[in-house]
Amino acid sequence: GAVVSQHPSWVICKSGTSVKIECRSLDFQATTMFWYRQFPKQSLMLMATSNEGSKATYEQGVEKDKFLINHASLTLSTLTVTSAHPEDSSFYICSSKGQFESYEQYFGPGTRLTVT
Amino acid sequence: GENVEQHPSTLSVQEGDSAVIKCTYSDSASNYFPWYKQELGKGPQLIIDIRSNVGEKKDQRIAVTLNKTAKHFSLHITETQPEDSAVYFCAATPDTGRRALTFGSGTRLQVQP
Repeated sequence: GAVVSQHPSWVICKSGTSVKIECRSLDFQATTMFWYRQFPKQSLMLMATSNEGSKATYEQGVEKDKFLINHASLTLSTLTVTSAHPEDSSFYICSSKGQFESYEQYFGPGTRLTVT
Repeated sequence: GENVEQHPSTLSVQEGDSAVIKCTYSDSASNYFPWYKQELGKGPQLIIDIRSNVGEKKDQRIAVTLNKTAKHFSLHITETQPEDSAVYFCAATPDTGRRALTFGSGTRLQVQP
């Protein structure tokens, strides 16, 4: 399957600061990337859909001004958590969907964010 | 929107036994059903998928069956091994351009050696 990387794998930040998470599709061009959040022992919840060259589409209840998504190229999408608070502590995972009619989604290894 | 229910939430089997995890979905437009395995602290790994034009798909010890009429699909793992222990998620997506996945709640599989 395709390879998706995330950086950093874990990050600790202080409340009120911003954190940027990178998601890279290493061996194929991803027209669409998805960002998910996963709390302990829970399922993955879709936060937003990121399309290359256009604005992200956010799910209901996800603050677009707090979770800034940029998909500047076919291989890179970034998620910035602005003014982070302890309740933003979670496991953030991105996935990439291939071009055209591809169904398969491949997930990155995830980023563990802890806000103190 | 789509709603996916997954059962059981936990499953413990003896090594060598079979394990079955079942999911139901609500949106009749869904036509792609992947299964993911997630180990602790890692991202989900696609292990098998099925599309609505197929009733069954097998890959070595793993198989998935789909009943579109009843709107349910199942993951079957035969000859389980301790390394199969993980959380398994089913998912579904309708035939739309965005193709975002809706996930089930997950099944924690424990294979006892």
